[in-house]
Amino acid sequence: LAKTTQPISMDSYEGQEVNITCSHNNIATNDYITWYQQFPSQGPRFIIQGYKTKVTNEVASLFIPADRKSSTLSLPRVSLSDTAVYYCLVDYNQGGKLIFGQGTELSVKP
Amino acid sequence: EPEVTQTPSHQVTQMGQEVILRCVPISNHLYFYWYRQILGQKVEFLVSFYNNEISEKSEIFDDQFSVERPDGSNFTLKIRSTKLEDSAMYFCASSDEGSRNDEQFFGPGTRLTVL
Repeated sequence: LAKTTQPISMDSYEGQEVNITCSHNNIATNDYITWYQQFPSQGPRFIIQGYKTKVTNEVASLFIPADRKSSTLSLPRVSLSDTAVYYCLVDYNQGGKLIFGQGTELSVKP
Repeated sequence: EPEVTQTPSHQVTQMGQEVILRCVPISNHLYFYWYRQILGQKVEFLVSFYNNEISEKSEIFDDQFSVERPDGSNFTLKIRSTKLEDSAMYFCASSDEGSRNDEQFFGPGTRLTVL
């Protein structure tokens, strides 16, 4: 049973706000929601993490509704360099290992 | 900013040969991981390591694989007898704590090509 579901791909244009939504209907009480970014031929990179409501850092915001069954990663004013795969992770049931899904391939066009 | 480093960046080997992939985790981190990513596929967990022993391993991490922290800085992944299907990017990661919510820092990866 898949832990997370997110769109396979998204297209955007420079300067737009991009919102990527992830569904995690079976999230456990103790699970946090974490997003990683991966550029081609590079290792994943932590973007943001949250438990509920809203979290914001210098690169993104994470919106989590009260039921926590989904979350939305928001990237303000994307640029070409934001073209990457974005992974939503919530599976932390067994220690520190990260369980990656297929991710969302974001393509930012000029 | 401290970072995880990996060597070599690309390793080509013949099927059946042994390879050792090397990683230098961030110096004050205590938890270490190996992941792999076959071309065009998702990142897959292989093994986690803490206090000089394996904490957890996936079903991919069979008897052909082993990990070692031979000194205070290096963390290695050995594949004893490589197979064609071992061709992939191998990423090392490290974290401050092994908790479920801890950020993991990934290295740039080693591309392994088995011929």
